[in-house]
Amino acid sequence: DAMVIQNPRYQVTQFGKPVTLSCSQTLNHNVMYWYQQKSSQAPKLLFHYYDKDFNNEADTPDNFQSRRPNTSFCFLDIRSPGLGDAAMYLCATSRGTRGEGYEQYFGPGTRLTVT
Amino acid sequence: LAKTTQPISMDSYEGQEVNITCSHNNIATNDYITWYQQFPSQGPRFIIQGYKTKVTNEVASLFIPADRKSSTLSLPRVSLSDTAVYYCLLGFQKLVFGTGTRLLVSP
Repeated sequence: DAMVIQNPRYQVTQFGKPVTLSCSQTLNHNVMYWYQQKSSQAPKLLFHYYDKDFNNEADTPDNFQSRRPNTSFCFLDIRSPGLGDAAMYLCATSRGTRGEGYEQYFGPGTRLTVT
Repeated sequence: LAKTTQPISMDSYEGQEVNITCSHNNIATNDYITWYQQFPSQGPRFIIQGYKTKVTNEVASLFIPADRKSSTLSLPRVSLSDTAVYYCLLGFQKLVFGTGTRLLVSP
């Protein structure tokens, strides 16, 4: 059974048109992360939530926002997508952020195309 | 955050043992060492994690010397399905992915 679910798997949006990607988890993990992965590059952490506490990476553009209405769901909002935002967006969860047992469980990703 | 250095790519044949080494000279005292595997168009998958010495699970072993400035992921008897990118990560509060090692297993 899927533990980290991302919908949709493929999303096409127009330049400048807001888009929302969703992630849900059945693991009841405290932490949820969003990563951006461009072609042939490593995943890059955008931000994460520890419960309701939002933690933004210093170099994440303001164009990217996130919401976590409850433990199970987390959303990535791109307010005005540019061509450079085309990428795979990965959601991940973990029980905690310190020490052993810190492994992250990733979803399958949403591939975003900007036209 | 401490930086990791891995070979960009490695080639192997089915049935061989593959060892991928990651250098992390500036590893912090609290950092754990974690390895992930990623197939094309999929999210990374946790392989193994360790702090020091040797850790073994059903799919891999992780060797960490006493100074912890490097670590080696060992994959026994690889198969074609082990062709993937392997990432070495350090972290205590958060993980930062390095460039990864692209492993190609041939028949």
